[in-house]
Amino acid sequence: KAGVTQTPRYLIKTRGQQVTLSCSPISGHRSVSWYQQTPGQGLQFLFEYFSETQRNKGNFPGRFSGRQFSNSRSEMNVSTLELGDSALYLCASSLRGETAFFGQGTRLTVV
Amino acid sequence: AQRVTQPEKLLSVFKGAPVELKCNYSYSGSPELFWYVQYSRQRLQLLLRHISRESIKGFTADLNKGETSFHLKKPFAQEEDSAMYYCALKGDTGANSKLTFGKGITLSVRP
Repeated sequence: KAGVTQTPRYLIKTRGQQVTLSCSPISGHRSVSWYQQTPGQGLQFLFEYFSETQRNKGNFPGRFSGRQFSNSRSEMNVSTLELGDSALYLCASSLRGETAFFGQGTRLTVV
Repeated sequence: AQRVTQPEKLLSVFKGAPVELKCNYSYSGSPELFWYVQYSRQRLQLLLRHISRESIKGFTADLNKGETSFHLKKPFAQEEDSAMYYCALKGDTGANSKLTFGKGITLSVRP
């Protein structure tokens, strides 16, 4: 069974731009969660989607948004990028929200 | 609010020595506790969860509700155990059902 796939693996963006990250969950998994990982703050929860509905949201500004499609694939969007948004963004999938299986992550660098 | 504390950032031991990675949590309901591991250049993966009560790669962890702890232990460390370890908590209701991670600890096992 293929694992969680995130694309792209690396991104370099300029301040003020926007970016969209993609996550394909394990086949059959309906829950997708997003996390931001930085050296200073560790892993911080962004949001969770289940069956195309946002089920949970972390404490991030409205510039961070996401969505989930009918095939459970998910996208995360960050608008008006700031230098502090540079991080590894991880996606995790699970059947219904229990044990999470993580992707390799997308490394976003904002310059 | 839920919180996970891993008080140490680094633990360095010799091969064959016992290992204990500490994790304390704060949550008023009935949490589910996990340990995740990230080996060098690999994705974050589940090591064990408290409800399974199983031993994975020689590691065990017992949930102590009185001390609100979920320490990870292994009697004899191996070099291949060197990795980053994260303790995580999942709440049992609504907005608390997200995964909250500790800051992580680097385990270094020397030959």
